[in-house]
Amino acid sequence: AQSVTQLDSQVPVFEEAPVELRCNYSSSVSVYLFWYVQYPNQGLQLLLKYLSGSTLVESINGFEAEFNKSQTSFHLRKPSVHISDTAEYFCAVSVYNDYKLSFGAGTTVTVRA
Amino acid sequence: NAGVTQTPKFRILKIGQSMTLQCTQDMNHNYMYWYRQDPGMGLKLIYYSVGAGITDKGEVPNGYNVSRSTTEDFPLRLELAAPSQTSVYFCASSSATGLEPQHFGDGTRLSIL
Repeated sequence: AQSVTQLDSQVPVFEEAPVELRCNYSSSVSVYLFWYVQYPNQGLQLLLKYLSGSTLVESINGFEAEFNKSQTSFHLRKPSVHISDTAEYFCAVSVYNDYKLSFGAGTTVTVRA
Repeated sequence: NAGVTQTPKFRILKIGQSMTLQCTQDMNHNYMYWYRQDPGMGLKLIYYSVGAGITDKGEVPNGYNVSRSTTEDFPLRLELAAPSQTSVYFCASSSATGLEPQHFGDGTRLSIL
């Protein structure tokens, strides 16, 4: 079975500063990786995903994540955050032919002016 | 653009009462899921369904039941509410490929007192 560890539970950051959210996974087979974002009092929304191909994936709102197979990581980064990026971020993993997701515990990002 | 709709949004139950959390989706997705979200724990899969008439247990099924009589609806039943079931419940759906993103509802906040 696969599992996900998000290494930071809370990340406070100032507006326009960079942020990195760390995610490590464990699996004996090839994985698919996802980052979801949850804004207050809402459900989760897909931010970006890695299925295959280029190990660097990007979202439309400036986030990017890099799949590193040797380090079993899928860290999420943004070079300059906005107040509106305040949310909880979840890393998730699935494996080939198993559509179920395993989620990490989540990282709460609080952006301050 | 309704997507995944969950009702009710909030509910308070007494210990031992029963209730059904409703979930409906209008995207013709075959796969549907129920999760619970507890602080610092991420999302845990309760039950899932790969199509009408087919359901299976997830990671934390005890105390819950589901049915899937139509493609659109996937209700979650709590038979004898216990304080440990106080949580936020999310319903999600995804397309037949399973690799497409899961679409989440806005959640049901349930308190058992």
